[in-house]
Amino acid sequence: QQQVKQSPQSLIVQKGGISIINCAYENTAFDYFPWYQQFPGKGPALLIAIRPDVSEKKEGRFTISFNKSAKQFSLHIMDSQPGDSATYFCAAYNFNKFYFGSGTKLNVKP
Amino acid sequence: EAEVAQSPRYKITEKSQAVAFWCDPISGHATLYWYRQILGQGPELLVQFQDESVVDDSQLPKDRFSAERLKGVDSTLKIQPAELGDSAMYLCASSFGGYTEAFFGQGTRLTVV
Repeated sequence: QQQVKQSPQSLIVQKGGISIINCAYENTAFDYFPWYQQFPGKGPALLIAIRPDVSEKKEGRFTISFNKSAKQFSLHIMDSQPGDSATYFCAAYNFNKFYFGSGTKLNVKP
Repeated sequence: EAEVAQSPRYKITEKSQAVAFWCDPISGHATLYWYRQILGQGPELLVQFQDESVVDDSQLPKDRFSAERLKGVDSTLKIQPAELGDSAMYLCASSFGGYTEAFFGQGTRLTVV
């Protein structure tokens, strides 16, 4: 059973546009929600993370929106750039264990 | 900058052979994870160590996979015998534990032929 469901599987955005990736979870015990960015041939790297006591966190062009009642959270990439082209994974954390979504491959067209 | 070291980066092995992967976590990180990532999917936890102790190996196929972290520092993941379905990226990650960032290594890309 997949603990974290991620959509879309792939996303094409024009340079300067907004990229939005969504995740949903069922286990209300999750209490930390990181997003990871992975380039081909590399391991995932932490991009931004949020705790469920806040509804939004912004770091530069990257924003996490968190809806605790709906058990959903999303990543927004503003002013998307070709260098943002990568695979993005959401994750949920509980009891020292991370559960990852299936990933979204983002392609930002110049 | 401290990083998680993994070797080898790539490994091609024949079915039924043994293969081993090595991971050296960031210094001071007590928690070490081994993940398997099939192409196009998210990482799936195989085994988690806290210092030298296994805290979760529920998803580790124990008939063919083994993992150890003898001195609570570096770790080895072994597959014997390898099967075609084991072809994947094997990622090692480490953290201080709790709500702290998990740092990933670059992974070992395994191809079983």
